[in-house]
Amino acid sequence: AQSVAQPEDQVNVAEGNPLTVKCTYSVSGNPYLFWYVQYPNRGLQFLLKYITGDNLVKGSYGFEAEFNKSQTSFHLKKPSALVSDSALYFCAVRGVRGQNFVFGPGTRLSVLP
Amino acid sequence: DSGVTQTPKHLITATGQRVTLRCSPRSGDLSVYWYQQSLDQGLQFLIQYYNGEERAKGNILERFSAQQFPDLHSELNLSSLELGDSALYFCASSSDRGPQETQYFGPGTRLLVL
Repeated sequence: AQSVAQPEDQVNVAEGNPLTVKCTYSVSGNPYLFWYVQYPNRGLQFLLKYITGDNLVKGSYGFEAEFNKSQTSFHLKKPSALVSDSALYFCAVRGVRGQNFVFGPGTRLSVLP
Repeated sequence: DSGVTQTPKHLITATGQRVTLRCSPRSGDLSVYWYQQSLDQGLQFLIQYYNGEERAKGNILERFSAQQFPDLHSELNLSSLELGDSALYFCASSSDRGPQETQYFGPGTRLLVL
């Protein structure tokens, strides 16, 4: 069965500092991995995804994520956090056989001015 | 703007009632997915339709049902509502040409059952 873990409920970071939001997954075979962001009272917005190839994926708003197959991780990163990055972040996984998306529980990111 | 629309934005109703939530997918997308987001359960997959046919079922209660119409819009019907059904309901759409395809989410319908 597929599963996603986001080990931190909350991440706090100072504006201008680098940020990391962690995600680990479990899936049979090779995974497709996704990050979404949810702002208050809004739907989920797609940030980036890993399909194959380069382990470092670049996405919207300066975010990037690093796929690590040996550690089954797909951590979201940004070199310099903005207050406007404060939101709820979801990691999701889907197997290559087209199983349904499985979302992690979400990590709330707070960027402090 | 993802291109996925959902109506209504907010819905307040009473226990035992029935409501219908509507979703229009992005132009060209054949798949519609329904999710429930609650504080204690996170984001839960309910059901998927692809080009009018049910393709996958998740944690959908028997009191809930959905359908996708020939114009590809979808409706989620919730009946015999209980207090615990209060949640945000999202639909997402995808072209589903392959498992690598992204799901794009609508703004959601916030349901409050009193």
